[in-house]
Amino acid sequence: DAGITQSPRHKVTETGTPVTLRCHQTENHRYMYWYRQDPGHGLRLIHYSYGVKDTDKGEVSDGYSVSRSKTEDFLLTLESATSSQTSVYFCAISESDRDTGELFFGEGSRLTVL
Amino acid sequence: GQNIDQPTEMTATEGAIVQINCTYQTSGFNGLFWYQQHAGEAPTFLSYNVLDGLEEKGRFSSFLSRSKGYSYLLLKELQMKDSASYLCAAMDSNYQLIWGAGTKLIIKP
Repeated sequence: DAGITQSPRHKVTETGTPVTLRCHQTENHRYMYWYRQDPGHGLRLIHYSYGVKDTDKGEVSDGYSVSRSKTEDFLLTLESATSSQTSVYFCAISESDRDTGELFFGEGSRLTVL
Repeated sequence: GQNIDQPTEMTATEGAIVQINCTYQTSGFNGLFWYQQHAGEAPTFLSYNVLDGLEEKGRFSSFLSRSKGYSYLLLKELQMKDSASYLCAAMDSNYQLIWGAGTKLIIKP
């Protein structure tokens, strides 16, 4: 058990409101990721982090920002939510000390933007 | 561009064998991964191939041909609990995972 929790698990919000999703890990793994998953698409990387205050953009980073002020927490923020950001968001970690493809995922956060 | 192709849906019978194919095109290659995802749940890691050949892990095996940009996941002695989506992902030269859209496997009694 990689000890990853996401919150909230479900959220309904309105267009234009800010939303923050939290990913918390109980172990000091270096690499953390935020993905979104939509029907007909593969998982798409939004942002990732390779340490405290070290983050980088993924392929679909527009409209999203992240912060990692502590090893255990990786926050994803939608500054002004849009309907196109309705999705299931997964946080993931790599238990290795480097960026590998063997990821452990949180349970997901289902976001609906009306 | 980078791309992963896998069938959208497959149906198989309990107790049988099924092969899920995946073809990939990436800028560089650092491995091929298979994940299982039950409906409404998170993906879970199944296998990793970086060298050509077959890797066997219990009822599941994964094959890779780097020259053909091709992999398959083989599931034997299918059980109802194997009903899930199977995600293929290739890692490119920047160690980024490129994901397929997943193959939904339906197991019938």
